[in-house]
Amino acid sequence: GAVVSQHPSRVICKSGTSVKIECRSLDFQATTMFWYRQFPKQSLMLMATSNEGSKATYEQGVEKDKFLINHASLTLSTLTVTSAHPEDSSFYICSAHGGEGEAFFGQGTRLTVV
Amino acid sequence: GIQVEQSPPDLILQEGANSTLRCNFSDSVNNLQWFHQNPWGQLINLFYIPSGTKQNGRLSATTVATERYSLLYISSSQTTDSGVYFCAVEQRDSSYKLIFGSGTRLLVRP
Repeated sequence: GAVVSQHPSRVICKSGTSVKIECRSLDFQATTMFWYRQFPKQSLMLMATSNEGSKATYEQGVEKDKFLINHASLTLSTLTVTSAHPEDSSFYICSAHGGEGEAFFGQGTRLTVV
Repeated sequence: GIQVEQSPPDLILQEGANSTLRCNFSDSVNNLQWFHQNPWGQLINLFYIPSGTKQNGRLSATTVATERYSLLYISSSQTTDSGVYFCAVEQRDSSYKLIFGSGTRLLVRP
């Protein structure tokens, strides 16, 4: 199957700082990627759709100024958590779809804001 | 929006036992996938199955799209099968967006 790589896998940052998470499709091009968030013992919630060359589309309730998404190339999308606070601590995971529509996920990033 | 329900929410098995996990969805879907989330959070693709039946080793899945449900069968369970199993659906006209069920947390005891 297709490979999606996410980096870093784990990050600890101080409250008020910003953190950037990268999502790369390694063996295919992805005009669209997706960012999800998962709280402990809960399911994955879609945050936004990352569109190559255009603005991201955010789900209802997700602050676009807090979670900046950039999709500058066909293989890379980045999620920046700006002015992070402890309540932003979570597991963030990205996905991209292969040629036949199947979704493949990155390894996820565990963010802890202290 | 579409609702995705999984059952049971929790399941404890003795190694070697068989089990069936269910996923119900409230509207027509383009696609359906089953994932296993390991203890490190990685989502492992199990099946991409909008309809029909597929098998992969000890696992198999069946989706009956007209009745809006999918089943995941695990036979001869092993301790390494432990983790959370999610089904996720792509609603029609949603351009690949996946809506996840709440998951089934499986523990296989030796």
